[in-house]
Amino acid sequence: SQKIEQNSEALNIQEGKTATLTCNYTNYSPAYLQWYRQDPGRGPVFLLLIRENEKEKRKERLKVTFDTTLKQSLFHITASQPADSATYLCALDERGNTPLVFGKGTRLSVIA
Amino acid sequence: NAGVTQTPKFRVLKTGQSMTLLCAQDMNHEYMYWYRQDPGMGLRLIHYSVGEGTTAKGEVPDGYNVSRLKKQNFLLGLESAAPSQTSVYFCASRRTGGSYNSPLHFGNGTRLTVT
Repeated sequence: SQKIEQNSEALNIQEGKTATLTCNYTNYSPAYLQWYRQDPGRGPVFLLLIRENEKEKRKERLKVTFDTTLKQSLFHITASQPADSATYLCALDERGNTPLVFGKGTRLSVIA
Repeated sequence: NAGVTQTPKFRVLKTGQSMTLLCAQDMNHEYMYWYRQDPGMGLRLIHYSVGEGTTAKGEVPDGYNVSRLKKQNFLLGLESAAPSQTSVYFCASRRTGGSYNSPLHFGNGTRLTVT
């Protein structure tokens, strides 16, 4: 069966450290993988997209890797700040008109 | 640009009542989606549309109907609400789907409680 799993429901880290979130998938062939941020009471907001033939993508303090052999994406936030506290969702984007499929999310808390 | 606007923001229904959730986007996007989000279940797709006049079922379509009469609007209907439909409903849109790398734009949700 198809599965998309984010490693943990909740992750607590200290301010200034690097947060690493994991997204694993089974029985999908994504052309793209996307990461979103969701704050309480709000809709998800797009952060980054990485293609299947890209190993790594960066945007300011964010870095995403995509390993299609391991069927895994890692999402890193360097020099984390309390304002980075939110739920982060990964989403798989397969070819054709199929809609995105979302993981359940990881709730990140950055403690000052 | 307002982006994706959902109305209403909150609603309480009694079992058996009906209602329509409205989603409007002003970005001229072709694709629109309705998701529901429940604790521990993540975002699950209810129905979606790849263009005006088209609709398709998602992962959890039972108990819901949709219509896309105009490109900018996507309506989600509950004909006879059940407590299991208590959830937060999100509408989203994107410029294109599938192999084109366009992200989803989400509204801020409708919190629905069915008693």
